[in-house]
Amino acid sequence: NAGVMQNPRHLVRRRGQEARLRCSPMKGHSHVYWYRQLPEEGLKFMVYLQKENIIDESGMPKERFSAEFPKEGPSILRIQQVVRGDSAAYFCASSPKISTGELFFGEGSRLTVL
Amino acid sequence: DQQVKQNSPSLSVQEGRISILNCDYTNSMFDYFLWYKKYPAEGPTFLISISSIKDKNEDGRFTVFLNKSAKHLSLHIVPSQPGDSAVYFCAASGGNNNDMRFGAGTRLTVKP
Repeated sequence: NAGVMQNPRHLVRRRGQEARLRCSPMKGHSHVYWYRQLPEEGLKFMVYLQKENIIDESGMPKERFSAEFPKEGPSILRIQQVVRGDSAAYFCASSPKISTGELFFGEGSRLTVL
Repeated sequence: DQQVKQNSPSLSVQEGRISILNCDYTNSMFDYFLWYKKYPAEGPTFLISISSIKDKNEDGRFTVFLNKSAKHLSLHIVPSQPGDSAVYFCAASGGNNNDMRFGAGTRLTVKP
């Protein structure tokens, strides 16, 4: 009865490197959401995905950020050429259906860019 | 675009008193509203929700009120307990994509 699993919990990268954050949704959930929380700020929507489809990526920065949710395997949030401003906690959530119902969150992945 | 707003970054109340957290939204397509609670270094956890067809939902010490005409909702906690101290996020969903948007959060401190 595992919940939403995110890994790594902590990731340290130097400027210019790539960061990959993984999210395994709860069993039976086919909708995944990624949120970013900057220090002292709230949760900022980034992207909403269903299996193999990006439904809404209006919160994703236009460059360097990408997300996928393949048919098999976890959802991945990829940040290329990281900069210090990317340092944040990245939360993944999943749900079994759209529109109503709560989201189930993982414990987050904290990215630190040196 | 800040579709969900929590204008009070923090709130401090005495144990046993009522805590009232407020939230405003701008998107009239939202039809489902939720409150989440978050402790440090943990993910948010669902607390209580309300559909747009209702104006009140109660669960134990927690009550959510929805005023659709004002596009405003509030969370009442009574009586407040020290263990309620956390960041509370208001969230809303609905519209074409049905994704969920969060407010900036309100940090509640309940003093013993």
